[in-house]
Amino acid sequence: EAQVTQNPRYLITVTGKKLTVTCSQNMNHEYMSWYRQDPGLGLRQIYYSMNVEVTDKGDVPEGYKVSRKEKRNFPLILESPSPNQTSLYFCASSSSGTGSVPGFFGQGTRLTVV
Amino acid sequence: GESVGLHLPTLSVQEGDNSIINCAYSNSASDYFIWYKQESGKGPQFIIDIRSNMDKRQGQRVTVLLNKTVKHLSLQIAATQPGDSAVYFCAENSPFSGGYNKLIFGAGTRLAVHP
Repeated sequence: EAQVTQNPRYLITVTGKKLTVTCSQNMNHEYMSWYRQDPGLGLRQIYYSMNVEVTDKGDVPEGYKVSRKEKRNFPLILESPSPNQTSLYFCASSSSGTGSVPGFFGQGTRLTVV
Repeated sequence: GESVGLHLPTLSVQEGDNSIINCAYSNSASDYFIWYKQESGKGPQFIIDIRSNMDKRQGQRVTVLLNKTVKHLSLQIAATQPGDSAVYFCAENSPFSGGYNKLIFGAGTRLAVHP
């Protein structure tokens, strides 16, 4: 089954404690991206990657890092989480044909930073 | 995704009725539009798309209408079913300077289907 898998689904952490949210897709997609979703706001892009070793900032990259060492994985790293990063996070992927338009989303990771 | 919907407009319809969800977009130069469905606790799901050179596109039980004059997009769902209950949001593919495109998402509308 074609899917984007995120882990963990839920995470509560304390300010300043580094964390990583993993994302993996099994569709051999070139394009992957991370979004955050907050109440009353649309999805906002954090980072995206057009292929292995190619990453770039989205609209709200501050406080986040990503890496794309292999095609299937695109982890999101919060080096020093702060309460304003409490949000619902989604990883998405798409083939090069659709480019930046995410075709498949993961189930989401609800992060709470206290 | 439960808390995402707390501040969203809600459209309530009876099962079997047709639903129309509206979206205003911001950039008259946007060339591609997408509708997504997000069920509670799940990630967004691609429903249907339309390019700016079209004004209507039909899928299975869904139709998207594009009015470029007033920068308006609508999603019509025929014979709405309880499984259609979700948050629906549109996205526009907006050209920016430097030759790259940016996808801008709307906040969404909650569709509540009552038996």
